[in-house]
Amino acid sequence: AQSVAQPEDQVNVAEGNPLTVKCTYSVSGNPYLFWYVQYPNRGLQFLLKYITGDNLVKGSYGFEAEFNKSQTSFHLKKPSALVSDSALYFCAVRDLFYNQGGKLIFGQGTELSVKP
Amino acid sequence: KAGVTQTPRYLIKTRGQQVTLSCSPISGHRSVSWYQQTPGQGLQFLFEYFSETQRNKGNFPGRFSGRQFSNSRSEMNVSTLELGDSALYLCASSIRQGLAKNIQYFGAGTRLSVL
Repeated sequence: AQSVAQPEDQVNVAEGNPLTVKCTYSVSGNPYLFWYVQYPNRGLQFLLKYITGDNLVKGSYGFEAEFNKSQTSFHLKKPSALVSDSALYFCAVRDLFYNQGGKLIFGQGTELSVKP
Repeated sequence: KAGVTQTPRYLIKTRGQQVTLSCSPISGHRSVSWYQQTPGQGLQFLFEYFSETQRNKGNFPGRFSGRQFSNSRSEMNVSTLELGDSALYLCASSIRQGLAKNIQYFGAGTRLSVL
C-alpha cells in the first residue's frame, strides 16, 4: 500500500532563515508527489509537484522540493522563511492503483511556525 | 478563472439528520474528488467522480454517497448523521490531460458540525 509520512508535527523557524518540511513516501513504482499548504479556515493550495524529470522542483511562493529516490524523500524547502509562510503543510502521493484517478494519499501534516 | 466553489461553508446538523454538500469545479475540469478532514484521521479520500460516474471510492460506510451532474458539478450526501461525521469536507477538481494533469485544486471546504 502506498503511504506518505511527515515525521514532524511542528517546525519552528525564525524569519529569514531557511526552512525544511520533511516528507518520506512508500510506493511501488514511480511516485507522483505533491505539496499543499492550508491556511486557517481555508482549503488546500497547491504548491508544487514531482512527476518525472529534475529532482529539484520549483513551485509557488518561492518554495521548492527535492526528490530523493534512494532515500524515498520529498522534502519541502525555502531559502528564506516569511512570517506569512506560517500554515499547515501536507505532502501527498497519488494512489497509483487508480489509473489516472484522482485519489491522493496525504501525510498527517506539519504545522510551520515562522517567528519574526 | 473561478476556483472550486463549495456551498455551504458551514452547516450545523443534529444526529440522525441527513446533509447534502455541493461542489462546483473549475471550468473545464471534469474530475471531482471529495475528502474528509478531521483532527484525528487527517485527510481521507471519500470518492471521485468523472463524467458522471463514480470512479474510485474510499473506505467510508454507505451513508456517504455522491453524484455528479452533466455540468461536472458534484454533490455529496451523508445520511443518518453521527457525531463522528463532524469534519471539514473538501472538494477538489482536476483535469486528466495537459500541463495541469494530476493536480487537484481544492475548494475552501464545508465545515459540518453534528450535534
